[in-house]
Amino acid sequence: GIQVEQSPPDLILQEGANSTLRCNFSDSVNNLQWFHQNPWGQLINLFYIPSGTKQNGRLSATTVATERYSLLYISSSQTTDSGVYFCAGGGVFYGGSQGNLIFGKGTKLSVKP
Amino acid sequence: DAGVIQSPRHEVTEMGQEVTLRCKPISGHNSLFWYRQTMMRGLELLIYFNNNVPIDDSGMPEDRFSAKMPNASFSTLKIQPSEPRDSAVYFCASTLRGGRNTEAFFGQGTRLTVV
Repeated sequence: GIQVEQSPPDLILQEGANSTLRCNFSDSVNNLQWFHQNPWGQLINLFYIPSGTKQNGRLSATTVATERYSLLYISSSQTTDSGVYFCAGGGVFYGGSQGNLIFGKGTKLSVKP
Repeated sequence: DAGVIQSPRHEVTEMGQEVTLRCKPISGHNSLFWYRQTMMRGLELLIYFNNNVPIDDSGMPEDRFSAKMPNASFSTLKIQPSEPRDSAVYFCASTLRGGRNTEAFFGQGTRLTVV
């Protein structure tokens, strides 16, 4: 099955700094998402981005599907950005329907005041 | 829409007892997933359904685990008998397959502790 690698595994930032998180896939994926798991354990949808670039406030994401990677950019980081960031990609097709989401191990981000 | 709804939010049970976790997907979604999250193994897919039919249950750890989706608005994950190593957070997610946008949405999870 598809393997998802995220880097770096841990990241410590000073408030106001920028960062880039990376996600590599071992094979092509048909749907790609970024999530933020907050300190309460909730998985919050950040981006649905099978290809191209999207922006939402201080966050933006780029997926280069042909090269099987995606990047998440966080600008002007805030303490509330702390948590774990996951990327996940879709697997094989079954009878025309898309398969499951395979998760990476995540990047644990700590933003210090 | 209220989003994906899971119950209970927390469950503490004794080893050997039966545990049933419940999930209500987003209305109109036709695919449902059960995931388990532990420190050691991260987020693992246990099983997923498409149009109420189980498509891939290869992630179900053993026969003690079973999942059903009797209709489009309800699914259960059952563990019988439960063991301490089953302690984890169990997430349910749903999505609409077949369209251009297949974004998945997660419930708040059920934190299971087996003592």
